[in-house]
Amino acid sequence: AQTVTQSQPEMSVQEAETVTLSCTYDTSESDYYLFWYKQPPSRQMILVIRQEAYKQQNATENRFSVNFQKAAKSFSLKISDSQLGDAAMYFCAYRSYTGNQFYFGTGTSLTVIP
Amino acid sequence: DTAVSQTPKYLVTQMGNDKSIKCEQNLGHDTMYWYKQDSKKFLKIMFSYNNKELIINETVPNRFSPKSPDKAHLNLHINSLELGDSAVYFCASSRRQQTSTDTQYFGPGTRLTVL
Repeated sequence: AQTVTQSQPEMSVQEAETVTLSCTYDTSESDYYLFWYKQPPSRQMILVIRQEAYKQQNATENRFSVNFQKAAKSFSLKISDSQLGDAAMYFCAYRSYTGNQFYFGTGTSLTVIP
Repeated sequence: DTAVSQTPKYLVTQMGNDKSIKCEQNLGHDTMYWYKQDSKKFLKIMFSYNNKELIINETVPNRFSPKSPDKAHLNLHINSLELGDSAVYFCASSRRQQTSTDTQYFGPGTRLTVL
């Protein structure tokens, strides 16, 4: 079974600085998809960024980028120029190419310090 | 416009009661899901419906029954509520279940508290 591990329960960053959130996963599949979701206090799950495993190029979305290391099964999220609105719980998620499952990590709580 | 909506946002009820949570999506998606997020923030899929047919039925108690009157709605009915059912329940939808690039869009969640 696939598992997703986020080893940092809490992280903090100064406003305007850069922070990296870690995520590792375990799978025997070669094709799959990885996601980062943000959950602010409003509880809504918001998609931040998505990466297809067959793509070598790291996905970027404005201030958000990933470092995808397929061999190491690592998928970290980098947030540049952190803003107060970035404070939230961040979940890493895995979805297999053919399966129906969507596996989430346990989340990292990010605090942005003014 | 709200893409995925859930009602109610908060639900407080006594043990043993039966309750329902409604979900609607206006994205034209074919697949809808229910997730449970426990107090430790762990998010786990419960059900998935693709074009009104049940695709996943994870090992959840049969007190939980999803009902999909049409592909835009997936309601969750819970019988004989127990203390352990207290959690946040998220509805989500995606365009197609077989194509894994399709992102899931989540609703705002329903916080269920069983007393």
